[in-house]
Amino acid sequence: QKEVEQDPGPLSVPEGAIVSLNCTYSNSAFQYFMWYRQYSRKGPELLMYTYSSGNKEDGRFTAQVDKSSKYISLFIRDSQPSDSATYLCAINKGSTLGRLYFGRGTQLTVWP
Amino acid sequence: NAGVMQNPRHLVRRRGQEARLRCSPMKGHSHVYWYRQLPEEGLKFMVYLQKENIIDESGMPKERFSAEFPKEGPSILRIQQVVRGDSAAYFCASSPPSGATYEQYFGPGTRLTVT
Repeated sequence: QKEVEQDPGPLSVPEGAIVSLNCTYSNSAFQYFMWYRQYSRKGPELLMYTYSSGNKEDGRFTAQVDKSSKYISLFIRDSQPSDSATYLCAINKGSTLGRLYFGRGTQLTVWP
Repeated sequence: NAGVMQNPRHLVRRRGQEARLRCSPMKGHSHVYWYRQLPEEGLKFMVYLQKENIIDESGMPKERFSAEFPKEGPSILRIQQVVRGDSAAYFCASSPPSGATYEQYFGPGTRLTVT
């Protein structure tokens, strides 16, 4: 069983839609949860990180963690064509344990 | 503040040659990580280094691959006797010295092609 599972999509939505991206993980030892955005042939860009269950908001992005269900989500409000990219979830077992475990990524297209 | 820098951005090697990939972390960062991204696969952890120390190399293939982060200069990922299966994008990331190793910032990657 993989440490983290993510539906690769692709996901295609119209501009202005609310986008929901999700990952599940297998081990309750994971403590930190990150979302990255990766444009084609570029490096991943850190969008948000969170530690506890609940919501964390940054502009149009909201990260949600449910540790009891081992489920993490990223919501994008008022989606824009510039949001078209691959979104990667990543998890980490502890603040000093460097290894990140990544999902496969969900490819998102926002069409005008 | 410059981000993580990697060079070269593209590297072509023939089978059996050596590949050297370089990574300069963000200013003030002292932790470096290497990941590999194969086509249609996610990012896979390879190694975690601090200056002059390998902290975790559990993701490194046992043979042909090595990494270092010397006291001076960039971190180097070295692949000896490359094979076609080594063709991939190799990303370096760095994190601040605060100990928040989950806060990793990635470079643009080096795309290695083995012919």
